[in-house]
Amino acid sequence: KNQVEQSPQSLIILEGKNCTLQCNYTVSPFSNLRWYKQDTGRGPVSLTIMTFSENTKSNGRYTATLDADTKQSSLHITASQLSDSASYICVVSISSGTYKYIFGTGTRLKVLA
Amino acid sequence: EPEVTQTPSHQVTQMGQEVILRCVPISNHLYFYWYRQILGQKVEFLVSFYNNEISEKSEIFDDQFSVERPDGSNFTLKIRSTKLEDSAMYFCASSVTAKRTDTQYFGPGTRLTVL
Repeated sequence: KNQVEQSPQSLIILEGKNCTLQCNYTVSPFSNLRWYKQDTGRGPVSLTIMTFSENTKSNGRYTATLDADTKQSSLHITASQLSDSASYICVVSISSGTYKYIFGTGTRLKVLA
Repeated sequence: EPEVTQTPSHQVTQMGQEVILRCVPISNHLYFYWYRQILGQKVEFLVSFYNNEISEKSEIFDDQFSVERPDGSNFTLKIRSTKLEDSAMYFCASSVTAKRTDTQYFGPGTRLTVL
């Protein structure tokens, strides 16, 4: 079954600290993996998109990694800010005739002053 | 910066009624999508649309649902006879192309409450 699992479910950190969010997937055939940031009550905003051949991609203080062999991805946030408080969603796309998007349940991050 | 807009922000309806959710995608985008997110659950893909046709749809997108681009700017999702379980946040998104790695831009969502 195609699934995307994220951990932890929620995380609280102090402003200025780094954190890493995890995404494991059992999706085949793999097309690409995206990380989104979703503020409460808003639509998701794309942070990174990685294909099979990409190991790392950065977007400012956000760095995503992908290990296609172990089917794991991580999102590292450096020097967190209060505005980083949001849900972070991992989405894996499959391509098997029909193009499907499998969403994870997200990690809810709270950054405290 | 151009944005995807959605109206209304909140829609309350009685079970069995028809609702139409509206979206205005970013003007030079050609591919449009609808997603839903039931409260506390993950986002789910409903349908993608290009050139006035459905490109792909999920198992959720049954005969109850339809999409339309009635003019050059609006993109609508119609639910014919709403059920309690249709209560959710509905997100519209658009992208320039349907390339696997193209960024989809999401609107702020419409919260649908079915009573």
